[in-house]
Formats: sequence, C-alpha cells, structure tokens
Amino acid sequence: AQSVAQPEDQVNVAEGNPLTVKCTYSVSGNPYLFWYVQYPNRGLQFLLKYITGDNLVKGSYGFEAEFNKSQTSFHLKKPSALVSDSALYFCAVRDIHGAGSYQLTFGKGTKLSVIP
Amino acid sequence: EAQVTQNPRYLITVTGKKLTVTCSQNMNHEYMSWYRQDPGLGLRQIYYSMNVEVTDKGDVPEGYKVSRKEKRNFPLILESPSPNQTSLYFCASSLNQQGVNTEAFFGQGTRLTVV
Repeated sequence: AQSVAQPEDQVNVAEGNPLTVKCTYSVSGNPYLFWYVQYPNRGLQFLLKYITGDNLVKGSYGFEAEFNKSQTSFHLKKPSALVSDSALYFCAVRDIHGAGSYQLTFGKGTKLSVIP
Repeated sequence: EAQVTQNPRYLITVTGKKLTVTCSQNMNHEYMSWYRQDPGLGLRQIYYSMNVEVTDKGDVPEGYKVSRKEKRNFPLILESPSPNQTSLYFCASSLNQQGVNTEAFFGQGTRLTVV
C-alpha cells in the first residue's frame, strides 16, 4: 500500500528566508508525486508534480520540489518566503503499479506560517 | 472557467436525517472522487468513480453512498448521518483514469456538522 509522511505538523519561517516542507513516500512501483496548497476556507490548489525526468521540478508561486529516489523524498522548497505563503500544504502520491484505482494518497498536511 | 462546484458549502443537520452533497465539474473529466478532511488525519478518500456508472470504495466508505449517472455529477449521500461524520468534505476530479500524471481539481469544500 502506498503512503505519504509529512513529519512536521507546523513549519515557521521568517519572511524572506528560504522554506522547506518535508515529504517522504512509500510505493511499490514508480511514484507520481504532487504538492497541493490549501488556503483558509478554500479547496486544495495544485502547486507542482513530479512524473519523470528532472529531479527538480518548478511549480506555481515560485515553489519547487526535489525528487530524491534513494531517500524516497519529495521536499517542497522556496528560496524566499512570503507572508502570503502561509497555508496548509499537502504532499500526495499516486502509484500506477498499485491496485489499479489510481488512488491519490495524501499526507496529513503541514501548516506553514511565514512571520513578517 | 474550469471548476468543481460543491453545494452546500456549510450544512448543519441532525443525526439520522438523510442528506446529499452535490458535486459538479465542467471539464469533462472521467475520474471523480470524494474526500473527507479531519484535523491530524489529512485527506482520506471516501469513494471514487472512474467513469459513468463505475464507482468504488476508497479508504473510508462506511456510512456513505455515491452515484455517477452523468459524467459531470458525483453526489455524496449520507443515508443516516452520525456525529462522527462531522467533517470537511471535498470533491475532486481529474482527466481520466489513464491520466495518472494529471493533477486533481478540487471543489471549495462542504463543512458538515451532524448534531
């Protein structure tokens, strides 16, 4: 069974500093990895995805993520945090070699707070 | 505008009173699913549908029903709601079951309280 772990419930970072939100995954085959962001009282919005190719993927709002197969990680990063980045972030994985449901499995979420 | 629309956004109901949360997408997506979001648990899949008339259970299907009579609609039905179904519910859609590399689009959410 596939799973996702986000080891930090909350991450605090000062505005202008780099940020990292951690994610590790477990799948039986090759993973398709996604990051979503949820602002208060809103649905989830897609940020970026890793399918194949370059291990560093770039997404919306200046975010990027690095796929590391040996460490089974897909950490979300941004060089300079903005107060408006404060939100709940979810990592998700889909294993196409799984049971065939193409189910998207989510982590429990990490609350990012950017302090002015 | 491409979107997934859920209704209602907020709902307070009493135990045992049947309710339906509607979900509609205008992107001609084949794959639709329902999630519930609870603090500390993230999003858990309730049911999913790969196409019209094709539905299957996710991780937490107990107490829920779904139907997929048309491609655009995927209602979530609680026949006899209980307080442990108090949660934030999201409907999502994505291109098709073969498009495993495509992202999911989410509705705005329905906050359900069962008293």
